[in-house]
Amino acid sequence: SQTIHQWPATLVQPVGSPLSLECTVEGTSNPNLYWYRQAAGRGLQLLFYSVGIGQISSEVPQNLSASRPQDRQFILSSKKLLLSDSGFYLCAWNGGRVVDTQYFGPGTRLTVL
Amino acid sequence: DQQVKQNSPSLSVQEGRISILNCDYTNSMFDYFLWYKKYPAEGPTFLISISSIKDKNEDGRFTVFLNKSAKHLSLHIVPSQPGDSAVYFCAASGNTGTASKLTFGTGTRLQVTL
Repeated sequence: SQTIHQWPATLVQPVGSPLSLECTVEGTSNPNLYWYRQAAGRGLQLLFYSVGIGQISSEVPQNLSASRPQDRQFILSSKKLLLSDSGFYLCAWNGGRVVDTQYFGPGTRLTVL
Repeated sequence: DQQVKQNSPSLSVQEGRISILNCDYTNSMFDYFLWYKKYPAEGPTFLISISSIKDKNEDGRFTVFLNKSAKHLSLHIVPSQPGDSAVYFCAASGNTGTASKLTFGTGTRLQVTL
């Protein structure tokens, strides 16, 4: 069966510091991968998605970037964090079909102080 | 522009009764709809989905109804149980050509009381 991992689970970072969140998927190959953010009291906002190694699409302009160095690895990064980057970050995957259910990881709670 | 709307931020239902969660959308290109359940500090869990070619899909206690003309869908939970207390998100997807991208509503917090 497929499993999706995210780490770290929680992170507290000062403003201006770098960020690296990692997501890995097991039990599947060539998945579509997604990064979402849930701000306090808000819905889930799609940040990035990837349909293959090295292929990244950005949904909203922001202080973040994403990379996919391996088939089942998706990384969310920032060079300098802002207060507004605080939130709950979720990674998701699906089987790569155009219309398909997405399955989410456990999330990372990021607090920028 | 909120393309998927859940206008009720919260709902309280007695155990054993029916819970009805509502969702409206504005984009007529959406053709696949999903409901997710989310506990605090956890990732959303997929519950049930429906394609636009159907108007009803049932899975155990959960039934989703789709009214395309009204651009409205609802999730029915019967009977409601205390473990159903969570935030429920409606999501919609359209054919983007490369990957299915979900647009989420803001969620409805369901509380099932004893």
